[in-house]
Amino acid sequence: DVKVTQSSRYLVKRTGEKVFLECVQDMDHENMFWYRQDPGLGLRLIYFSYDVKMKEKGDIPEGYSVSREKKERFSLILESASTNQTSMYLCASSLIGLAGAHEQYFGPGTRLTVT
Amino acid sequence: DAKTTQPPSMDCAEGRAANLPCNHSTISGNEYVYWYRQIHSQGPQYIIHGLKNNETNEMASLIITEDRKSSTLILPHATLRDTAVYYCIVRAEFGTGKLIFGQGTTLQVKP
Repeated sequence: DVKVTQSSRYLVKRTGEKVFLECVQDMDHENMFWYRQDPGLGLRLIYFSYDVKMKEKGDIPEGYSVSREKKERFSLILESASTNQTSMYLCASSLIGLAGAHEQYFGPGTRLTVT
Repeated sequence: DAKTTQPPSMDCAEGRAANLPCNHSTISGNEYVYWYRQIHSQGPQYIIHGLKNNETNEMASLIITEDRKSSTLILPHATLRDTAVYYCIVRAEFGTGKLIFGQGTTLQVKP
């Protein structure tokens, strides 16, 4: 079974702190994604990566950065946390390929509260 | 990627089939229909996907109309554990692979 793990289930940080959220997958997937989920807004894509050291902005990248130094690990960084970044953060991974569509596998999520 | 429309909520009796509809009238020829679900406080879970033909796996069946403008996810014997938000997503075969989640349908399975 594909396993996607996230470093924390719950995290509380103060405004202005630098926050690291880590995601690890064990299935050698090329693609990795970071989403945030808020009530009434659904899941929104922040950043994604299709290879080591490659990254692409999603729909709401402002205030975030990412790092992918190893294939299995994709980190989301909040440079200076703000209260409007309080949210559920979800990581996902998938295969890449032109032969067909590939499903995404999600981690359990990190509920981040910024006070 | 095409937009999808789903009813906001549905109820289903335990043991009965749950039929969840989805409209995607602007779907293109190379776009797949995906279904995911999210049980409370968990990450979304992949269920099934299809292009043109009906599909079945151990979790569900996917029925896509001939014109591909709508589809139905069928859970043949719903259980209480199937209570979740179900998302219908349309996504191109090629490209970034990102998924665009709408509001989904909240399915409540009742005893």
